[in-house]
Amino acid sequence: GAVVSQHPSRVICKSGTSVKIECRSLDFQATTMFWYRQFPKQSLMLMATSNEGSKATYEQGVEKDKFLINHASLTLSTLTVTSAHPEDSSFYICSASVGLFAEQYFGPGTRLTVT
Amino acid sequence: AQTVTQSQPEMSVQEAETVTLSCTYDTSESDYYLFWYKQPPSRQMILVIRQEAYKQQNATENRFSVNFQKAAKSFSLKISDSQLGDAAMYFCAYRSPPGSSNYKLTFGKGTLLTVNP
Repeated sequence: GAVVSQHPSRVICKSGTSVKIECRSLDFQATTMFWYRQFPKQSLMLMATSNEGSKATYEQGVEKDKFLINHASLTLSTLTVTSAHPEDSSFYICSASVGLFAEQYFGPGTRLTVT
Repeated sequence: AQTVTQSQPEMSVQEAETVTLSCTYDTSESDYYLFWYKQPPSRQMILVIRQEAYKQQNATENRFSVNFQKAAKSFSLKISDSQLGDAAMYFCAYRSPPGSSNYKLTFGKGTLLTVNP
């Protein structure tokens, strides 16, 4: 149980375009989803926290207009990187939980490459 | 704010041997949760073990055990009978208790474990 999927696993896009990453909780209802960014050989950096049906809470330094997060249902959250640039290339990981303080179940991650 | 420190960027161990990964943390809270996560080359984060601070007994999960020293704010992970599949990046993480103003997981920088055949 407690499986979280991400789609796509890898994506390559051209600079200036937008790309959407989906995060799904497959066997439980996730009231809270977290989006992390991970640079090579570094730790996970929390970008934002989203609760179903409400606006996401972004961490300091994360541009909310660039990284659009939607958590429209209890099983799906999306991260849209708008007007992507090469510096947005990274590994993006989502996690899902049944509450802010509940155990987080991690997705397999999405590798974004912006050319 | 809480901080988590992993002082060993890399460690190696021979297959079937035992290895201990170090983690220290800083907090003013008396109740909290500590975790060890494994991130293999697939990049999938996997929870290895968790420890509630109010529990004095060290958590164990098969070949994985922790040495939790609350006064010293130390939380090391011991892997016994190391296997090739244990090779991964290991992250130590801290979380405040429910009701706290801070719900986030605070991660250390990680320790890359290599298992030699």
